[in-house]
Amino acid sequence: GQQVMQIPQYQHVQEGEDFTTYCNSSTTLSNIQWYKQRPGGHPVFLIQLVKSGEVKKQKRLTFQFGEAKKNSSLHITATQTTDVGTYFCAGTPNYGQNFVFGPGTRLSVLP
Amino acid sequence: ETGVTQTPRHLVMGMTNKKSLKCEQHLGHNAMYWYKQSAKKPLELMFVYNFKEQTENNSVPSRFSPECPNSSHLFLHLHTLQPEDSALYLCASSSHRGGVTGELFFGEGSRLTVL
Repeated sequence: GQQVMQIPQYQHVQEGEDFTTYCNSSTTLSNIQWYKQRPGGHPVFLIQLVKSGEVKKQKRLTFQFGEAKKNSSLHITATQTTDVGTYFCAGTPNYGQNFVFGPGTRLSVLP
Repeated sequence: ETGVTQTPRHLVMGMTNKKSLKCEQHLGHNAMYWYKQSAKKPLELMFVYNFKEQTENNSVPSRFSPECPNSSHLFLHLHTLQPEDSALYLCASSSHRGGVTGELFFGEGSRLTVL
């Protein structure tokens, strides 16, 4: 079946440093979503990418969908302590409808 | 307030008990989901309902029994669970039209501990 992988599993950064998490799918995706889950909280939707090579920005967050629609990345510029949490990607395979979640990247930001 | 409400937030049960988790969404969505989140695995999709019809059962053991009486309510009935079933159970809803799933709105989850 389809697999969605994320690296790294954990990332510790100093406040102000940049952070990137990568999402890779074993199959082509029709679209990809990103979610953030704060410690003790529930996943919250961040963004959806649909087009090949698409790039979207939300303040300090930049999301990218690969040209082959099999990978994606989330980049945070100048991290803040409020960025702490686990970032999940979730992809929809072309043949199916339901999202498959990656294992997530847990981000810690040291003040 | 997420628009998706789950009760109870915490549940402790023995392996012989029967309990139910409840989810209610106030967003007018037509699709509802149960996910399992445990420490060692990614979010696992368990069940999907679209317009009250079950459209996916992801090889979930029969000790988990879903019920969707209408598009706003979703239940997960639990019986004779195992300790490895201890996890955070998340309910989510979304719009689902023309084969396209919109963003998922998650509830705050029900933390289940099976003794």
